[in-house]
Amino acid sequence: NAGVTQTPKFRILKIGQSMTLQCTQDMNHNYMYWYRQDPGMGLKLIYYSVGAGITDKGEVPNGYNVSRSTTEDFPLRLELAAPSQTSVYFCASSYHAGEETQYFGPGTRLLVL
Amino acid sequence: RKEVEQDPGPFNVPEGATVAFNCTYSNSASQSFFWYRQDCRKEPKLLMSVYSSGNEDGRFTAQLNRASQYISLLIRDSKLSDSATYLCVVKGATTDSWGKLQFGAGTQVVVTP
Repeated sequence: NAGVTQTPKFRILKIGQSMTLQCTQDMNHNYMYWYRQDPGMGLKLIYYSVGAGITDKGEVPNGYNVSRSTTEDFPLRLELAAPSQTSVYFCASSYHAGEETQYFGPGTRLLVL
Repeated sequence: RKEVEQDPGPFNVPEGATVAFNCTYSNSASQSFFWYRQDCRKEPKLLMSVYSSGNEDGRFTAQLNRASQYISLLIRDSKLSDSATYLCVVKGATTDSWGKLQFGAGTQVVVTP
């Protein structure tokens, strides 16, 4: 039981490039979330999903897209990378919506230059 | 005003001492409250929920004061391994975030030998 896994661990992007951050969970959780964490700031919700085929915007969705074709996978897409997207990205999952026990992946550190 | 506000610290604590810190939240209708722990360059993990009557988990005590809109965390007999950032998490911290978790920026605790 690996929990929540994320790839890659670290990536450097040039401005305007695109990439997909991968997230997979093996706990059969319905709910999945993408957060970003900037220095001195709390985690901000980017997108979330309540089940396969259903996604919704969080607090800071601009510049990102998501899809949820399976229960296990919830990839985050950056289409045109900007320096403001330099951050640490965490994927999380929970069995119920807003459940306090969200299980987080180890994070992806992204640097946009 | 931030929805969830914490003193960033760091709180430098001698091993064996007690440390306590608070978190304030702005929405009086917030639903529930938690403390998460985040080690350096790691993902957040749930430490404990915060109940209206206060609750203990070993050396950790959490309190909720709804009238003054703050929660607190007290760590007794601090261990070196308690060094971490403690994230205050509020469910429903804003009027449009029902069911979602809002994370504070964290309070850093450094326990010294």
